[in-house]
Amino acid sequence: NAGVTQTPKFQVLKTGQSMTLQCAQDMNHNSMYWYRQDPGMGLRLIYYSASEGTTDKGEVPNGYNVSRLNKREFSLRLESAAPSQTSVYFCASSTGTGNTGELFFGEGSRLTVL
Amino acid sequence: KQEVTQIPAALSVPEGENLVLNCSFTDSAIYNLQWFRQDPGKGLTSLLLIQSSQREQTSGRLNASLDKSSGRSTLYIAASQPGDSATYLCAVRGRAGNMLTFGGGTRLMVKP
Repeated sequence: NAGVTQTPKFQVLKTGQSMTLQCAQDMNHNSMYWYRQDPGMGLRLIYYSASEGTTDKGEVPNGYNVSRLNKREFSLRLESAAPSQTSVYFCASSTGTGNTGELFFGEGSRLTVL
Repeated sequence: KQEVTQIPAALSVPEGENLVLNCSFTDSAIYNLQWFRQDPGKGLTSLLLIQSSQREQTSGRLNASLDKSSGRSTLYIAASQPGDSATYLCAVRGRAGNMLTFGGGTRLMVKP
């Protein structure tokens, strides 16, 4: 049972480069999320998709774009990476929002921007 | 804006002790509260989900309680083991904005 799968697991970028983090879930969940985790800041929501075809900004969306490609896949794109985007990125999914929203997380993608 | 606080930030106990981790939140208008475990360099593993209408949930040696009116939840771990060493996070899904807000976590070390 794969659950939530993220790729790549590690990435090093130079300032100004672009990249896309991929996320896929095999639990038939409606909602998907991207978080970043930084020391002393905890987990913060970047973007989420409540259902296929919709995306919404979270707490820290600046510098990121997302695409809900289909029900299974939700990608996060950094158009012009900055050192402040060095972080661990987590994708998560849930059956829904509201009171059905138990979250399941991927293993994380560790991004370093030089 | 919902704020979630976990105290203590770190805890070290000898093996076999029963222990309580605390989570407090400022806005009681919530859908649910979820407890997670995170091992170093790993993702978050869901431990327990408590709906706003529930008072507690149990899974094995873990018991989580929720007192919505006072904005508090506790995670009780019975007969702790070295394998329980990890960071424990609570997260609250608020009705306003429907977002999940995380606490800073409690880093637990259980010594053999």
